[in-house]
Amino acid sequence: EVRLVQSGAEVKKPGESLKISCRGSGYIFTNYWVAWVRQMPGKGLEWMGVIYPGDSNTKYRPSFEGQVTISADKSINTAYLQWTSLKASDSAMYYCARHRSFTVPDSVVPLWFDLWGQGSLVTVSS
Amino acid sequence: DIVMTQSPDSLAVSLGEGATINCKSSQSVSYNSGGKEALAWYQQRPGQPPKLLIYWASTREYGVPDRFSGSGSGTDFTLTIRSLQAEDVAVYYCLQYYSTPWTFGQGTKVEIK
Repeated sequence: EVRLVQSGAEVKKPGESLKISCRGSGYIFTNYWVAWVRQMPGKGLEWMGVIYPGDSNTKYRPSFEGQVTISADKSINTAYLQWTSLKASDSAMYYCARHRSFTVPDSVVPLWFDLWGQGSLVTVSS
Repeated sequence: DIVMTQSPDSLAVSLGEGATINCKSSQSVSYNSGGKEALAWYQQRPGQPPKLLIYWASTREYGVPDRFSGSGSGTDFTLTIRSLQAEDVAVYYCLQYYSTPWTFGQGTKVEIK
């Protein structure tokens, strides 16, 4: 079965660090871009950034650049989203999502999201 | 950034009736040739992750009931639900994948009247 499985809910204090994970299975993990999408309580969906696990090429939404780090370990088919110093405003549900893509010479172009993880709820509170 | 604006924000529809959701992009999401519109639709039921319904504006994802259909081009797109079922209660989002950052509409909540 093709799936993305995310790490569980986290409760942290402001200023603490956190790394959540997203493990792909049932497909060739290194051949697909994986994105992170934030959903704040009662709100809509916001694309944060994306990584291509094959070569760790990463792109960020400007508003998230420097605030989070996206990485991947292709040896264990896992992508990560990391914070060094959490704020209360980081409290949200975070989804990883796989991009359907098409291949052109020397490049894999990400398109829509065709597979989603179940979500990781992050709560930051003193 | 391409801004995606959906309308209405919410709608209540009787079971068996149709529902129409609109999505407008701040610039065209149409590729130069081939008539490809970089627009997808998602359904998010309460407490669940989003689920892909439609891509390339009108292509239904495998396994999605045919009561869901998408149309439109350029900057104006529509998701139509023919004969609403109880399980269609959800928030629906459009997504443009024409350029980074990928951007979603604000969502349209569909409820039963």
